[in-house]
Amino acid sequence: GEDVEQSLFLSVREGDSSVINCTYTDSSSTYLYWYKQEPGAGLQLLTYIFSNMDMKQDQRLTVLLNKKDKHLSLRIADTQTGDSAIYFCAESISGTYKYIFGTGTRLKVLA
Amino acid sequence: DTAVSQTPKYLVTQMGNDKSIKCEQNLGHDTMYWYKQDSKKFLKIMFSYNNKELIINETVPNRFSPKSPDKAHLNLHINSLELGDSAVYFCASSLYGENTEAFFGQGTRLTVV
Repeated sequence: GEDVEQSLFLSVREGDSSVINCTYTDSSSTYLYWYKQEPGAGLQLLTYIFSNMDMKQDQRLTVLLNKKDKHLSLRIADTQTGDSAIYFCAESISGTYKYIFGTGTRLKVLA
Repeated sequence: DTAVSQTPKYLVTQMGNDKSIKCEQNLGHDTMYWYKQDSKKFLKIMFSYNNKELIINETVPNRFSPKSPDKAHLNLHINSLELGDSAVYFCASSLYGENTEAFFGQGTRLTVV
């Protein structure tokens, strides 16, 4: 089945690291993505990882993928108040053109 | 500007009405999507078109009818609107194939009263 789950809320202090977790069920997914949604806005692609990689770093963002456990995480280093948003993980299902989104994690950064 | 643009941004209408939401992309993509985001922020795919052909049709009531006049446009027409249709509808586009990240429009907030 296709199911992607995330914890709904995360609160961190400015300057700390944030780790947002995601679990998925479809083992045929080829790419996994992280999107950011700011209030009243669309979804902005932050980063993605191919399913045969286990880590990808892009400036303050680090994506870790544990394919065996079907677990994906997004680490934001030195979290800023501007990082407050909802973060969605998504998987693209091999052989389809469908993106399955997680439930979204609302990140709140405290000054 | 290159983008995925949707109109209108806000739509308030009465139950039973018929309404359309338009989407256009000038990114040269050949695949377009409609997603529905409910009040709990859950995003669910509704439809996908590739080169004007329907390739994904999730279990969406047939009151919803997508129309793709060309690769750059995917409109969503909704008949006999119901209260439960209230949501934010996002259009997206991508290139056909894998690892083709989807680019999203800003969303249309539909409120049915």
